[in-house]
Amino acid sequence: QSALTQPASVSGSPGQSITISCTGTSSDVGSYNLVSWYQHYPGKAPKLMIYAGSERPSGVSNRFSASKSGNTASLTISGLQPEDEADYYCFSYAGSSTWVFGGGTKLTVL
Amino acid sequence: QLQLQESGPGLVKPPETLSLTCTVSGGSTSSSSYSWGWIRQPPGKGLEWIGSSSYSGSSYYNPSLKSRVTMSVDTSKNQFSLRLSSVTAADTAVYYCARLPRDGYIYGHYFDYWGQGTLVTVSS
Repeated sequence: QSALTQPASVSGSPGQSITISCTGTSSDVGSYNLVSWYQHYPGKAPKLMIYAGSERPSGVSNRFSASKSGNTASLTISGLQPEDEADYYCFSYAGSSTWVFGGGTKLTVL
Repeated sequence: QLQLQESGPGLVKPPETLSLTCTVSGGSTSSSSYSWGWIRQPPGKGLEWIGSSSYSGSSYYNPSLKSRVTMSVDTSKNQFSLRLSSVTAADTAVYYCARLPRDGYIYGHYFDYWGQGTLVTVSS
């Protein structure tokens, strides 16, 4: 079971949009619409941003959206704000009662 | 408001067993609507799923840790626990407990509430 592949870092200026990819295989991301995304500030508990592929929990800004194409899921943050600067992780069901995280992406707001 | 709190030793000697407990308040570990999970983050690295358990006793573990992990749910204490045997320095990490809503599935597929995490250092 290998970690899902995410870019190590992405950056953008305030107001811009960025997309973080999460690439798996046909055995995990490609087979199920069960990807979730987490925002993680160092030293804090991760926060759920997206579940079931594209659903936003109550209280999460609609600037956060997600989609999937083939074996790659994507998280898009529009109207980038300084407080969006954090680490982001994807998480997916991988079949056979196992789950896997992505390696994580550090978002820098320039 | 649901709260989860990890507790346990902050220092474990190799090759002893790491034992952590997660106490749930504002919710019930006996609910069939949720599973309960453990995640860890080694220093400078990403998140790693350790395993998930339900009140019924079913547990699912990361294949890379399966031979050393045991998880259980104690509904009488409203807690769930993690035991990781034969630890090495590679098991040094911040350990998080979290809740997984089942949303009608057999398993929970995402974590909606997390504990604050507890650092466990493995060192002699």
